[in-house]
Amino acid sequence: QKEVEQDPGPLSVPEGAIVSLNCTYSNSAFQYFMWYRQYSRKGPELLMYTYSSGNKEDGRFTAQVDKSSKYISLFIRDSQPSDSATYLCAMSAIYNFNKFYFGSGTKLNVKP
Amino acid sequence: SQTIHQWPATLVQPVGSPLSLECTVEGTSNPNLYWYRQAAGRGLQLLFYSVGIGQISSEVPQNLSASRPQDRQFILSSKKLLLSDSGFYLCAWRPPEGASYNEQFFGPGTRLTVL
Repeated sequence: QKEVEQDPGPLSVPEGAIVSLNCTYSNSAFQYFMWYRQYSRKGPELLMYTYSSGNKEDGRFTAQVDKSSKYISLFIRDSQPSDSATYLCAMSAIYNFNKFYFGSGTKLNVKP
Repeated sequence: SQTIHQWPATLVQPVGSPLSLECTVEGTSNPNLYWYRQAAGRGLQLLFYSVGIGQISSEVPQNLSASRPQDRQFILSSKKLLLSDSGFYLCAWRPPEGASYNEQFFGPGTRLTVL
């Protein structure tokens, strides 16, 4: 079983839609959760970072962590064509900050 | 502000040839440095990380090696490339302390094609 599972998509939505991206994980020691956005042929860019459970909001983006279900989500409100990219979740445990576990990424296409 | 550079941006190499990819970070001291490989449609695979000059930890046994000759320089090498070494190579850095201690920041990547 992979440490982190993420639906690869592609996910295609119309402009203005609410997008929900999700990851599940198996290691209960994960405490730090990140979402990265990666445009084609570019390096990943850190979007959101959360510690432990709860919600965090930044503009149109909301990150949600449910540790009891080992499930994390990224919501994008009022999606724009510029949001079209691959979204990667990542997580790490408190005992090793040097090892990040990444999902395989979900490709999102927002149609104008 | 901090910036991370990688070069070359793209590289096409024959099987059996050597490899040297370079990564440098500006605007910070004593960063933790990482090399990842991303195969098409797959997640990031951690190859090496370094917490200081000359200190290298290997995550996956393979024909690649890494070195850190200076505080903000990280090099990925191979003596003989294999077809399976093709991929997108990403360097990342993490601050040694501070508010972003648990965050990794990525460079622009090097796309390597081995023919």
